[in-house]
Amino acid sequence: NAGVTQTPKFQVLKTGQSMTLQCAQDMNHNSMYWYRQDPGMGLRLIYYSASEGTTDKGEVPNGYNVSRLNKREFSLRLESAAPSQTSVYFCASKSSGLEGYTFGSGTRLTVV
Amino acid sequence: QKEVEQNSGPLSVPEGAIASLNCTYSDRGSQSFFWYRQYSGKSPELIMSIYSNGDKEDGRFTAQLNKASQYVSLLIRDSQPSDSATYLCAVLHTGGFKTIFGAGTRLFVKA
Repeated sequence: NAGVTQTPKFQVLKTGQSMTLQCAQDMNHNSMYWYRQDPGMGLRLIYYSASEGTTDKGEVPNGYNVSRLNKREFSLRLESAAPSQTSVYFCASKSSGLEGYTFGSGTRLTVV
Repeated sequence: QKEVEQNSGPLSVPEGAIASLNCTYSDRGSQSFFWYRQYSGKSPELIMSIYSNGDKEDGRFTAQLNKASQYVSLLIRDSQPSDSATYLCAVLHTGGFKTIFGAGTRLFVKA
């Protein structure tokens, strides 16, 4: 039982490059989320998908796009990476409204 | 004002003591409240959920909720060095989909 799987675990990008962070869950959860975590600022919501076929912006969506490919998979794309996007990115999922999250192991991204 | 506020710490307690972690939130319509534990370099792990006023106990952990005061706390009894981590308070926003996190409190348990 893998839970929430994120790839890659580490990535270094040059300014202006693009990349996609992948997330997949095998718990049949309806909702999926992308957060970034920066020192002293906690976890901030980038985008979320309340159910398959829907996506919505969170607190810090600028510079990112998402795709809910199917119920299992939710990807995050950086079209033109900037140093300000250097962060640790976490994917999370939950089954229904009032529950807590299961997190993936994270992607540590550095943009130089 | 941040939506979810925590004292960043660090909070240092001796082994065997009670650690008390506190959190306040601003959205009066919030319905679900969570505590996550995050070890350095790892992802957050859900340790407690609480939905109604009062106390909820799970092993050495007790979560306390006071909606009138918009206050959530986590007590860790018989603290162990393995409890040393950052504890994140999280509140499910009105509407049921977005969870807002505090910046976390770092806890050190000294052997």
